[in-house]
Amino acid sequence: DTGVSQDPRHKITKRGQNVTFRCDPISEHNRLYWYRQTLGQGPEFLTYFQNEAQLEKSRLLSDRFSAERPKGSFSTLEIQRTEQGDSAMYLCASSLGAQPQHFGDGTRLSIL
Amino acid sequence: AQTVTQSQPEMSVQEAETVTLSCTYDTSESNYYLFWYKQPPSRQMILVIRQEAYKQQNATENRFSVNFQKAAKSFSLKISDSQLGDTAMYFCAFMKLLTGGSEKLVFGKGTKLTVNP
Repeated sequence: DTGVSQDPRHKITKRGQNVTFRCDPISEHNRLYWYRQTLGQGPEFLTYFQNEAQLEKSRLLSDRFSAERPKGSFSTLEIQRTEQGDSAMYLCASSLGAQPQHFGDGTRLSIL
Repeated sequence: AQTVTQSQPEMSVQEAETVTLSCTYDTSESNYYLFWYKQPPSRQMILVIRQEAYKQQNATENRFSVNFQKAAKSFSLKISDSQLGDTAMYFCAFMKLLTGGSEKLVFGKGTKLTVNP
């Protein structure tokens, strides 16, 4: 069990640029979740997958956000035309069945 | 929609003492899980303890225990014999339970706990 891995750990970009984050879940976990956490707040749900199927998307996820999980393994979260308000920690978690979710270290996005 | 409220933004405790963190939630669901997660500074979120709503017995994990009051929708965390390593943000979280597996977590805003030597 190598844990949930996220890459990069920190991304700094200029407003208007596109960014992509990657999450590698624990290998046998079939569910994968993305959350966003701003300073001083609890994580907020963005979207989740069961295998390769995206089962739910939050209303927080604007059209500029897209997530994929090809082949039900790793997942990517892309943000197009980044805005100042996108600055946050993006957390990935994975789980198997009804077991608790395991979180990665997160990717911190800073928009200049 | 479910909501989770943590009314204590910050708390502090002396090493070896006991502290209780509060959490209330609102839901119309009957089957759900409640969690406490710990997030140390600049480190990943770690599960502390889990409670299934259908279980009347309060969950315990070593120095950590909960007081689950289903009718009152209250779910407090008690940390006994506090250690310096317990210093962290603590998040209370709710998860609806469906037959297909785990669902999204709904988090409170967190309580920042500082354990003083």
